[in-house]
Amino acid sequence: DQQVKQNSPSLSVQEGRISILNCDYTNSMFDYFLWYKKYPAEGPTFLISISSIKDKNEDGRFTVFLNKSAKHLSLHIVPSQPGDSAVYFCAAADTYSGAGSYQLTFGKGTKLSVIP
Amino acid sequence: DVKVTQSSRYLVKRTGEKVFLECVQDMDHENMFWYRQDPGLGLRLIYFSYDVKMKEKGDIPEGYSVSREKKERFSLILESASTNQTSMYLCASSLSSGGRKTQYFGPGTRLLVL
Repeated sequence: DQQVKQNSPSLSVQEGRISILNCDYTNSMFDYFLWYKKYPAEGPTFLISISSIKDKNEDGRFTVFLNKSAKHLSLHIVPSQPGDSAVYFCAAADTYSGAGSYQLTFGKGTKLSVIP
Repeated sequence: DVKVTQSSRYLVKRTGEKVFLECVQDMDHENMFWYRQDPGLGLRLIYFSYDVKMKEKGDIPEGYSVSREKKERFSLILESASTNQTSMYLCASSLSSGGRKTQYFGPGTRLLVL
């Protein structure tokens, strides 16, 4: 049972345009969400996060939007750059569930290609 | 900056060998995690530890064990390596407090079992 879903395995965007990566979740207890970026042969690096008490969080070119009623979040990258080409993982946490609250549940990732 | 290091970037082992993957973090984090990443399957949690000598099974613990004798070090052990354990292994760490669950990852170990 996949609790965090990234339905697009890949996405191609022209340099300078907006990249929108989507993520859906099914567990209504999730209250903290993160995006990670991963280059080949490297570990994931933390990009941006959002708590369920917010619906938007911005950090430079990266903005995460959360729609709790739809159980949907998205990552917007504006403007997209060739260096943004990587696999992006969405992750979620239930921060109040005891020992399980230490865990993150990851989606399967979306490979973004930014075309120069 | 959080630093998570893994003992090897690349490893080649034979079927049946015992394999040790080591992970060290320098930020006094309570929690440590081992994942494997396979194409199309994302990151799958093998084991995690929330304190010294404590361990919890993740989603795919079969064929693996772990050891956490010191707070900064978390080892993953493949008791008898098999070809289906060929994968990218990622270690991560995080704090317990503060409500934020950001995990910080090491560079990964790419393991090939022949």
